Amino acid sequence: NAGVTQTPKFQVLKTGQSMTLQCAQDMNHEYMSWYRQDPGMGLRLIHYSVGAGITDQGEVPNGYNVSRSTTEDFPLRLLSAAPSQTSVYFCASSYRTSGYTDTQYFGPGTRLTVL
Amino acid sequence: QQQVKQSPQSLIVQKGGISIINCAYENTAFDYFPWYQQFPGKGPALLIAIRPDVSEKKEGRFTISFNKSAKQFSLHIMDSQPGDSATYFCAASSPGTYKYIFGTGTRLKVLA
Repeated sequence: NAGVTQTPKFQVLKTGQSMTLQCAQDMNHEYMSWYRQDPGMGLRLIHYSVGAGITDQGEVPNGYNVSRSTTEDFPLRLLSAAPSQTSVYFCASSYRTSGYTDTQYFGPGTRLTVL
Repeated sequence: QQQVKQSPQSLIVQKGGISIINCAYENTAFDYFPWYQQFPGKGPALLIAIRPDVSEKKEGRFTISFNKSAKQFSLHIMDSQPGDSATYFCAASSPGTYKYIFGTGTRLKVLA
């Protein structure tokens, strides 16, 4: 299993450009999420999905869109990039066992710089 | 706003020593408290987790202590090794949701 994969690893954008960060998992996990990681602020939830066709907002959703057409893929779209969106972005997937223990698997991250 | 407060921000420990990282939360509805370990350039990885029905959970050198009345939980790393040098995050989530609130992280350095 490849686990959670993210592309690209690095990206530089100019203010106002749009782009899509790709995320895929091959573990048949129902739950997927996107976080951004900024120095001194930990990880903050952007959007999440509990299954194909179902998405919801996290703590910091503004400026980002998501969709989940398949179980495997959960792309994150930046509509009009701003310097404040410079960050490291992590995608994660998880499942819940019968004992209600969540095991969340993170991808390797995408480092985005907006000039 | 739901918060998880983590301390210290950074920690330096001698090899063989005990590393202790603390977290405090506000929302009494939280029922799942994981700890994640992150190495530079990598994504976080689940280290150990606890639910509030127990006060302590141990896995190898890693132990979570949980104090429900104080709304605090902590990670103890026994016999700390240089390979434990990483950033550690605590987190919390509520029942019926998959939404996690993360602490701000602790950068641990274990000196050889």
